[in-house]
Amino acid sequence: KAGVTQTPRYLIKTRGQQVTLSCSPISGHRSVSWYQQTPGQGLQFLFEYFSETQRNKGNFPGRFSGRQFSNSRSEMNVSTLELGDSALYLCASSPPFGNGYTFGSGTRLTVV
Amino acid sequence: LAKTTQPISMDSYEGQEVNITCSHNNIATNDYITWYQQFPSQGPRFIIQGYKTKVTNEVASLFIPADRKSSTLSLPRVSLSDTAVYYCLVGDRDNYGQNFVFGPGTRLSVLP
Repeated sequence: KAGVTQTPRYLIKTRGQQVTLSCSPISGHRSVSWYQQTPGQGLQFLFEYFSETQRNKGNFPGRFSGRQFSNSRSEMNVSTLELGDSALYLCASSPPFGNGYTFGSGTRLTVV
Repeated sequence: LAKTTQPISMDSYEGQEVNITCSHNNIATNDYITWYQQFPSQGPRFIIQGYKTKVTNEVASLFIPADRKSSTLSLPRVSLSDTAVYYCLVGDRDNYGQNFVFGPGTRLSVLP
């Protein structure tokens, strides 16, 4: 059974650019959540999607957005990148009434 | 929103049993307790989840007292490869995302 797949694995962007990260959940999982992990702030919740609808949103500026497609794949977009956006971005999927999240390996974003 | 408190770090030796206790005084009726393990530059990995009493799987046991205000993750006979950060989360498993808050976790160091 394939796990949660995140692409790309590593990314380097320049301040002011935008970036799109992709997440393919485990087959049959309809809930996808995104987290940002930094050494200073730890794991912080960004947003959650379920059946193409954003169900929950964390405390991040509007530069951070996401969407989910009908096949449950999800993308997150960060516009006008700042140095502080450098982080490991993690995607997780869960089944309905599930037994916890399954996380992907993450995308390491570096903003220079 | 239930919050958790765990020790920041713990040391152990190979072959010992390790118990990590998590406090969650404000746990709600619908909340489950879930533990994750994370290695550097990887996504957290689900270890175990429970609601009350004791749950055991092939890698760990989870002990939850009757008042559910705390829980203890027990790792039998740890090895060097168990060196990682362990997170305790509480949340309504039918409504993940914003309700699923990662604290700083417990950094476990297993020594030879």
